[in-house]
Amino acid sequence: DTGVSQDPRHKITKRGQNVTFRCDPISEHNRLYWYRQTLGQGPEFLTYFQNEAQLEKSRLLSDRFSAERPKGSFSTLEIQRTEQGDSAMYLCASSLISPRGEEQYFGPGTRLTVT
Amino acid sequence: AQTVTQSQPEMSVQEAETVTLSCTYDTSESDYYLFWYKQPPSRQMILVIRQEAYKQQNATENRFSVNFQKAAKSFSLKISDSQLGDAAMYFCAYRSNFGNEKLTFGTGTRLTIIP
Repeated sequence: DTGVSQDPRHKITKRGQNVTFRCDPISEHNRLYWYRQTLGQGPEFLTYFQNEAQLEKSRLLSDRFSAERPKGSFSTLEIQRTEQGDSAMYLCASSLISPRGEEQYFGPGTRLTVT
Repeated sequence: AQTVTQSQPEMSVQEAETVTLSCTYDTSESDYYLFWYKQPPSRQMILVIRQEAYKQQNATENRFSVNFQKAAKSFSLKISDSQLGDAAMYFCAYRSNFGNEKLTFGTGTRLTIIP
């Protein structure tokens, strides 16, 4: 068990470009969450998957954002036509549904800077 | 919608002393979980302690304990025998036991340990 990994760790892009982030969850975890954390704030929920199904999207997730989790394994988060307001840390977390409730394990995050 | 409030942006404590971080939340639900997460500088978020709302007994994990007051909707974290490695951002988080089980975070408290 190597934990949740995210790639890249840092991304600098110019406004208007598209970016894609990847999250590899803990292998047996069936739930995967994406959060966004801006400076001085706590993480905010963006979307989550149970296996390969995307079950909920936050209103924070504009139509420029899309997330996928093919085959219920890794997930990607794509931002099209990036804006300066997209600059943030993007966190991925995974969990395993259990009768006791689930603990979410977080990855190290991808820090996006839009110039 | 649930909200989580952390009214202490920054706290400091002398090494080996005890410190309490405050958290209040608002919900109309009766079945939920509360968490404290620790986010060290440039490192990933890790779970410190979890409290199930239907359990009256306060959770403890080694030097970490909580004071859970369900009626007052208060959930404070006490760190005993503070150590230099405890320096981090601490986030209080709420999770419903219904729906997608996303985490709703407070804005965090930055804890500094004074040697």
